[in-house]
Amino acid sequence: DTAVSQTPKYLVTQMGNDKSIKCEQNLGHDTMYWYKQDSKKFLKIMFSYNNKELIINETVPNRFSPKSPDKAHLNLHINSLELGDSAVYFCASSHRGNTEAFFGQGTRLTVV
Amino acid sequence: DQQVKQNSPSLSVQEGRISILNCDYTNSMFDYFLWYKKYPAEGPTFLISISSIKDKNEDGRFTVFLNKSAKHLSLHIVPSQPGDSAVYFCAASAHGSSNTGKLIFGQGTTLQVKP
Repeated sequence: DTAVSQTPKYLVTQMGNDKSIKCEQNLGHDTMYWYKQDSKKFLKIMFSYNNKELIINETVPNRFSPKSPDKAHLNLHINSLELGDSAVYFCASSHRGNTEAFFGQGTRLTVV
Repeated sequence: DQQVKQNSPSLSVQEGRISILNCDYTNSMFDYFLWYKKYPAEGPTFLISISSIKDKNEDGRFTVFLNKSAKHLSLHIVPSQPGDSAVYFCAASAHGSSNTGKLIFGQGTTLQVKP
C-alpha cells in the first residue's frame, strides 16, 4: 500500500485555470506538508498542517490555498494558474517533532 | 539565500568504490540533518540522519559525518552499487521549541555508479 499518495501524477493546464492536487497518507501521521521543486531542482516548503491546523505558511502567493479536511488529507488548490507555477509539487507527512518526512511521488504541473 | 548547499551537481564513481557526497550549511540554528535519495519520477525517500550532538552516524553501507565547526556534512556510501544511482538531497532542520518539521533542502547531487 502506498504510504503517501498524490493525484494526479501529471497535470497540464492552461494559464488562468484553477486546479487542485490531492494528497492522502495512511501512516497515521499528524503533520502534512506541501513542497515545491522548481526548475532549478530546489525543494522548498510551502505549507504545513498539524491536525488540520496551519503551522507553516511560507511566502507563497495567496492563489495557493491548502485545505486539510482531516489529518490524513492535505489538498492544494491553485487559482488563476501562471506559467511560473509549473513545477513538481510534493506532498509529505510526518509525526510532529519528527523531521523524517515521507514523501509522495510528486505531481508534475505544467502550465501552458 | 540558500542555507543548505550541495556544490557538486553530479558525481560518478565505479561500482565497489566509495561515493562521498558533500553538503554545507550556513544557519547555526540547524541541529538535525538528513539525507534523502530520489529516483526519477518518484518522491524523495529518507536515507539517514544525524543530530548535531553527534559527529557520525552509520547505517549499513551509509555513513553520515557532521563537522559542526565547518558547518559541513558528508554522506559516504561504501561499497557503491549501481542501484545507488539517484539524486541525493541533503536537508537540515532547526528543532528548537517550535519544531515544525520544516526541512531546508540542498539542490541535490546526482550520483552515477558505473558497473
